[in-house]
Amino acid sequence: AAGVIQSPRHLIKEKRETATLKCYPIPRHDTVYWYQQGPGQDPQFLISFYEKMQSDKGSIPDRFSAQQFSDYHSELNMSSLELGDSALYFCASSPPVGTQYFGPGTRLTVL
Amino acid sequence: AQTVTQSQPEMSVQEAETVTLSCTYDTSESDYYLFWYKQPPSRQMILVIRQEAYKQQNATENRFSVNFQKAAKSFSLKISDSQLGDAAMYFCAYTNLYNNNDMRFGAGTRLTVKP
Repeated sequence: AAGVIQSPRHLIKEKRETATLKCYPIPRHDTVYWYQQGPGQDPQFLISFYEKMQSDKGSIPDRFSAQQFSDYHSELNMSSLELGDSALYFCASSPPVGTQYFGPGTRLTVL
Repeated sequence: AQTVTQSQPEMSVQEAETVTLSCTYDTSESDYYLFWYKQPPSRQMILVIRQEAYKQQNATENRFSVNFQKAAKSFSLKISDSQLGDAAMYFCAYTNLYNNNDMRFGAGTRLTVKP
């Protein structure tokens, strides 16, 4: 069965640089979620989109933005990167009401 | 706000035996989903089992089953016939039935399986 695809899987950036993470949901899933998981932490909700509209916002820094495109894929844009942004970033997708299925994650390292 | 508590940071089980991971949650909602996710060393989040709060019957998936006590707001995971591949971090999670937008996770329980 098709799963959530995230790219890249690993990303290394310098402080103050910009990063873009991509997420391709499971076919026919119209809702996408972004989570950040720091070392030894549980995943923290950042932001979600339903039918290309932002549906909820969690603990997402102002330096981050995201959007969902017409093909339902989503991109998380992270600017002015800080050392503390180093984390595993998960994307999950679901139908409007249902189980969230997680992608493999993108490991971001900020040097 | 909904919170999820996993009071066991680490658990250990002998291969082929049974282990139970605990989870409690706090919510004022009556309709919601509860989940157990497994995170192996690869760090991927894998859905183990799901429980709808309106269902009285406990969910079961092969060797995994839950004990859902709605009044007590308790949602424990039982792993039977533990296998080495079950070793992972296990997260209990909650989401509102009609607003899936804010899944709350517990802090996780690291399960070790001894051969």
